[in-house]
Amino acid sequence: EAGVAQSPRYKIIEKRQSVAFWCNPISGHATLYWYQQILGQGPKLLIQFQNNGVVDDSQLPKDRFSAERLKGVDSTLKIQPAKLEDSAVYLCASSFSLGADTQYFGPGTRLTVL
Amino acid sequence: QQPVQSPQAVILREGEDAVINCSSSKALYSVHWYRQKHGEAPVFLMILLKGGEQKGHDKISASFNEKKQQSSLYLTASQLSYSGTYFCGTSAYSGAGSYQLTFGKGTKLSVIP
Repeated sequence: EAGVAQSPRYKIIEKRQSVAFWCNPISGHATLYWYQQILGQGPKLLIQFQNNGVVDDSQLPKDRFSAERLKGVDSTLKIQPAKLEDSAVYLCASSFSLGADTQYFGPGTRLTVL
Repeated sequence: QQPVQSPQAVILREGEDAVINCSSSKALYSVHWYRQKHGEAPVFLMILLKGGEQKGHDKISASFNEKKQQSSLYLTASQLSYSGTYFCGTSAYSGAGSYQLTFGKGTKLSVIP
């Protein structure tokens, strides 16, 4: 069974530029999560989708971050404009259901903002 | 609120045992344990649901004391492959049928020959 796919794996941008990350969850998983992991910290939830609807985006900095999952499968996370403090690994995870279910993580995208 | 993990770091020799603790101030529904190696994604180890159960596979097991809002991960007869950072994630109901997973800062485990 294929795991969670993410691209790109690495991205370097200048501050104030925009960037987008893509995620394809495990087939059949209805719930998709985006996490931000700053070096030396645990992952922090940014947004959670159930199919194509947002369940929880309380920790998403909405002035610069946006995410969508239009067809209920793959998802895109965008940052516009990027700040230095956005440098982190962005992890996508998916789970079969909305409850306290096992989340499977993708390899992540390492973003460096200069 | 972020769960608190202890210790922050531990160094073991192969074959030694270790315990990693995770505690929360919130009422928990479940505790999830992950291991992350440098530059890789977190890998799921196990999930413990409310009910005080203990789970394990191979030489890694965990317990969940829901009254104390605490969980412990037990690694016995450690192997070099156990090296990595261990995260506990605690889930609590966040509304609309959803449970938000909040991760601790991690415990760095190094196993040396």
